[in-house]
Amino acid sequence: KAGVTQTPRYLIKTRGQQVTLSCSPISGHRSVSWYQQTPGQGLQFLFEYFSETQRNKGNFPGRFSGRQFSNSRSEMNVSTLELGDSALYLCASSSDSNEKLFFGSGTQLSVL
Amino acid sequence: AQRVTQPEKLLSVFKGAPVELKCNYSYSGSPELFWYVQYSRQRLQLLLRHISRESIKGFTADLNKGETSFHLKKPFAQEEDSAMYYCALTGGGADGLTFGKGTHLIIQP
Repeated sequence: KAGVTQTPRYLIKTRGQQVTLSCSPISGHRSVSWYQQTPGQGLQFLFEYFSETQRNKGNFPGRFSGRQFSNSRSEMNVSTLELGDSALYLCASSSDSNEKLFFGSGTQLSVL
Repeated sequence: AQRVTQPEKLLSVFKGAPVELKCNYSYSGSPELFWYVQYSRQRLQLLLRHISRESIKGFTADLNKGETSFHLKKPFAQEEDSAMYYCALTGGGADGLTFGKGTHLIIQP
């Protein structure tokens, strides 16, 4: 089975721009969750999608949003980028919530 | 609010010595606890979860509800155990994982 695939691997944006990150889960997995990883705050939960519905959301501003498609692929969007949004964004898939999470390699976002 | 604390940012032990990575949590209820590991240049992956009560790669972790701890232990460290270790909890349902800041374990030869 192919693992969780995240694209792009690296992104450089400037303040005020918006960005879309993509995640393809393991085949058959219907749950996709997103995490932000920074040196200061560590790994923080952004949101989780299951069968195209957002089931839970972490403590992030509304500039962070996401969606899931019928094939379980997910995208997350960050609008009006700020310097503090620079981070590694990790996607994880599982067959259902709280089952074993399989992580992708992440997208490294740099905001200049 | 739920919280996971890993007091050691870095832990260095010699090969063959016992290892204990500490994890304390704060949660009002019955959480599910996990240990995730990230080896050099690899993805973050699940090492073990408390409900499974299993030993993976020689590691075990016991949930102590009285002390709100979930320490990870291995009696004899091996060089391939060098990695970042993250303790995490969830309240269940659709809650996401709350991670600790991680402990970098270095096994010296």
